[in-house]
Parts: sequence; structure tokens; C-alpha cells
Amino acid sequence: AQSVAQPEDQVNVAEGNPLTVKCTYSVSGNPYLFWYVQYPNRGLQFLLKYITGDNLVKGSYGFEAEFNKSQTSFHLKKPSALVSDSALYFCAVRVPWRAGSYQLTFGKGTKLSVIP
Amino acid sequence: SQTIHQWPATLVQPVGSPLSLECTVEGTSNPNLYWYRQAAGRGLQLLFYSVGIGQISSEVPQNLSASRPQDRQFILSSKKLLLSDSGFYLCARATGDYGYTFGSGTRLTVV
Repeated sequence: AQSVAQPEDQVNVAEGNPLTVKCTYSVSGNPYLFWYVQYPNRGLQFLLKYITGDNLVKGSYGFEAEFNKSQTSFHLKKPSALVSDSALYFCAVRVPWRAGSYQLTFGKGTKLSVIP
Repeated sequence: SQTIHQWPATLVQPVGSPLSLECTVEGTSNPNLYWYRQAAGRGLQLLFYSVGIGQISSEVPQNLSASRPQDRQFILSSKKLLLSDSGFYLCARATGDYGYTFGSGTRLTVV
């Protein structure tokens, strides 16, 4: 089955330290990969995506992600974490669906806590 | 604009009561629309998918139903709510860049 996996339920990092939220994928063909962030009682907000091109993708709020085809990974990173980055992060991949259409399949989410 | 409007933001309903959650979208016509449920602040479960007026695909058999009476309106309904229907309900639309835009969600508590 084509999917994404987020192996960590929770990531804790000290404010000012670099952060990484992991995501691996399993799809046939070229993957279209996404990261979304969700603050409490809010909808998901788009952070960044990889469709094609440079393996290092820069997104909103200083986040970036590195596409690694050999490791089938798309880890989210930020050089210096802020307390305000504390939220739930979702990785997603576009997968073929019915009648030639596509949909996004989401990972189970990783809760990021940045400690002051 | 690809704004999605969801209401209400919060809802407390007794077991056995009916439900109607509404989602309306702005922007391009004939969007692909989705209803997700999120339990306990974690993973997303796709409930329904619609590619156009009157066209609904159900992903999970359950106590809920969906309708799309107008191009930019997507409604989630139930005739009789169960305790297990509690959760955070999100409406989303597909955008032109392969991703989704999400509404702000409805927190449903069935008591």
C-alpha cells in the first residue's frame, strides 16, 4: 500500500536547538510530498511540498525539508526551534485513487514540544 | 481566494440527536471536497469525498452521511448521533498545486 509513516509520536526539543520531525514514504513512481502543521483546535496549515527539483525544500515559518530518494524520507527540519513551533505535524503523500484521481494520504502525526 | 468556511466551531449534542455540519468554499468552481475526522488530536480519518454536485464517495461505513447540494457546499449529517461520533471534523478542498486547504474545523462532543 502507498503510504507515509511518522515513526515518532512525540518530539521534544529545547528552544534554540535544531529540530527534526521524521517522515518516510512508500509509493510507486515519483512521490509528491507535503508537510502540514496543526495548532490546537485549528485546521491543518500547509508548510511546504516537494513535487520535483531541488531536494531541499524551504517553506513557511523557517521550516525546510529534505527529500531523500534513496532513503525514501522527507524529514522536516528547522535550524532553531521556537516555543511557538509547538504543534502537531503531519506528513502527507499524493497517491493514486479511484478513476484516475488522486488523494493525499496523511501520516498519524508527530507532536512537537519546544521547551523554553 | 480558496477559503473554506466551517460552522459551527464547537457543538455539544446529546446521543440520538441529529447532526448537520456545513462546509462552504470560495474560489474556483467544481472543487474536490473532503470530510475528515480527527480523534483525540491525532491522525486523520477520511470519511467522505466529493468530486461534484450529488457525487459522494464514502470511505468508512458508519453512522454518518454526506451531501453536496451545491458546487461549493458540502454537508456532513447524521440522523442519530453516537458517543463514538465525537471528534474534530475537518473539511478540505483540493488545490491546484496538488495539496489541500483545510477549514478551521468543528469540535463535536456527543454527551
